[in-house]
Amino acid sequence: GAGVSQSPSNKVTEKGKDVELRCDPISGHTALYWYRQSLGQGLEFLIYFQGNSAPDKSGLPSDRFSAERTGESVSTLTIQRTQQEDSAVYLCASSSDSYEQYFGPGTRLTVT
Amino acid sequence: GEDVEQSLFLSVREGDSSVINCTYTDSSSTYLYWYKQEPGAGLQLLTYIFSNMDMKQDQRLTVLLNKKDKHLSLRIADTQTGDSAIYFCAARGWYGGSQGNLIFGKGTKLSVKP
Repeated sequence: GAGVSQSPSNKVTEKGKDVELRCDPISGHTALYWYRQSLGQGLEFLIYFQGNSAPDKSGLPSDRFSAERTGESVSTLTIQRTQQEDSAVYLCASSSDSYEQYFGPGTRLTVT
Repeated sequence: GEDVEQSLFLSVREGDSSVINCTYTDSSSTYLYWYKQEPGAGLQLLTYIFSNMDMKQDQRLTVLLNKKDKHLSLRIADTQTGDSAIYFCAARGWYGGSQGNLIFGKGTKLSVKP
């Protein structure tokens, strides 16, 4: 079946602009996770959704980062006033039971 | 909080066995995972083990867990050039609830020489 999809696959933006990254989870998966992968920090947890509720936002690095989820479907991660240190690969994962997390291909964000 | 450590590089010859090691700090971690990442791709779930198990085998993959030493290993038998990738160890626990976000190591880059 279809896996987790993310769009865009690559995004280049100028410092100070806002960006939106999209994640389409596997159909029926109630849990959705955002992670960030960067050279310096490795893989970091950002935020978790159960349904459209986000009980854990502890990993968001600053108040420039926010995320929404529509029902048990699409999620959008928004970064406002992007900075160069935001450059990374943003990975989304979904899970039906939170034990097996399946990852999408990621969005590579480059802030110039 | 949890901390997961792995060696950064491993080089083996095709046909040999590869053993990738990982240590973690939080004894309450309930599940431990191995993911594979090929260049330009996302993370592929290879296998995982529950903390009450010592070993899990799945075709060419064998996972060993030493809970006392908080040590996890992944053995790949008959390693092939297609196994060249970065392998991530990850731990999941009941951190503040049941959300189950994963804590990852920095990844071990496996190079397989023909």
